[in-house]
Amino acid sequence: DGGITQSPKYLFRKEGQNVTLSCEQNLNHDAMYWYRQDPGQGLRLIYYSQIVNDFQKGDIAEGYSVSREKKESFPLTVTSAQKNPTAFYLCTSSPSGGYFEAFFGQGTRLTVV
Amino acid sequence: QKEVEQNSGPLSVPEGAIASLNCTYSDRGSQSFFWYRQYSGKSPELIMSIYSNGDKEDGRFTAQLNKASQYVSLLIRDSQPSDSATYLCAVRSGGYQKVTFGTGTKLQVIP
Repeated sequence: DGGITQSPKYLFRKEGQNVTLSCEQNLNHDAMYWYRQDPGQGLRLIYYSQIVNDFQKGDIAEGYSVSREKKESFPLTVTSAQKNPTAFYLCTSSPSGGYFEAFFGQGTRLTVV
Repeated sequence: QKEVEQNSGPLSVPEGAIASLNCTYSDRGSQSFFWYRQYSGKSPELIMSIYSNGDKEDGRFTAQLNKASQYVSLLIRDSQPSDSATYLCAVRSGGYQKVTFGTGTKLQVIP
């Protein structure tokens, strides 16, 4: 089955801890994105990558880091510098060519404990 | 002014009626427009995409785009209780990577 797989579905982070969210796709899409969703708010772009070994900051990149070593994978690390990390994190991918018909993973719900 | 605006709702319609969801955007250079459906606790799923002025129909769904008025809408005919969800409008403008989402409209279809 082609699609995007995010893991874990639920994640708990202690204060001062870094955590990494996984995102894998087998759609052969060039572009991958990370969004954050808070209650009552739209999706906000954290980071995006259009090709392997290249990525750009989105609107709310502070406190987050990413890597794109393989086309299929785009992990997101939530660092201790992110003071309010509790949110629903969504990974998407889309084909190249200027079309953003994005397909979302199941999401990871991160909670600070 | 928000880049993409939607009425948060809830919008309540009776089963079998037409639900009309609206979205306005601020960037006149916007090129692509998308509607996503999101059930509570789930990730969004793409329903419709529209790129040129006019209507685009897919089953019970019709997307309408009016670039002059900077307005995009989604009509759901013969609404079903299973259509109850939050509908997100997304707009691509500027560079390839810039996609902005609205905050969503919650739709409730009353049996």
